[in-house]
Amino acid sequence: EAGVVQSPRYKIIEKKQPVAFWCNPISGHNTLYWYRQNLGQGPELLIRYENEEAVDDSQLPKDRFSAERLKGVDSTLKIQPAELGDSAVYLCASSLDLASLETQYFGPGTRLLVL
Amino acid sequence: AQKITQTQPGMFVQEKEAVTLDCTYDTSDQSYGLFWYKQPSSGEMIFLIYQGSYDEQNATEGRYSLNFQKARKSANLVISASQLGDSAMYFCANVATRGSTLGRLYFGRGTQLTVWP
Repeated sequence: EAGVVQSPRYKIIEKKQPVAFWCNPISGHNTLYWYRQNLGQGPELLIRYENEEAVDDSQLPKDRFSAERLKGVDSTLKIQPAELGDSAVYLCASSLDLASLETQYFGPGTRLLVL
Repeated sequence: AQKITQTQPGMFVQEKEAVTLDCTYDTSDQSYGLFWYKQPSSGEMIFLIYQGSYDEQNATEGRYSLNFQKARKSANLVISASQLGDSAMYFCANVATRGSTLGRLYFGRGTQLTVWP
């Protein structure tokens, strides 16, 4: 069974440029999460989807970050414009069902460097 | 609020020896779950083990076991018979079980484990 797929694996951009990350969760997983991991820290949740609905986006900086999961499967996270402080690893995770608090399985992440 | 504390920035262990990675948590929830994840240099977070707050027995998964002491709010990870491939960053996490943050994982800062031959 394929795991969580993310692309790209690495991205280098200049500040003020836009950037987008893509995630395809494990097949059949209804819940999808985007986390940001700063250097030397544990991941922090940005947004959580239950199917196509964003049910926890309180930590998403909405002035520059946006996300979508239109058909309840794959998802895109966008930053526009990027700032130096956005340099981090962006991790996508999925779980079978939110209500039962199933284990979250993570993808390999996208390492973003903003110059 | 949920908080995870991992006080060991780095740990060293010789191959084939056992090692304990510390984790303490702070939660007001009566029901909660605790996870350990491994993050090698490649970056992927790999699920290792889960302990539910109402589980009476300590969780075990192969060489991994969780020393769960509810009264002390600690959930230490024990790795037996360490292998060179165990060298990685290890994260303890608590999952929120109610309210608007249901399902949100709260991670500690991690412990870098190095296994030497």
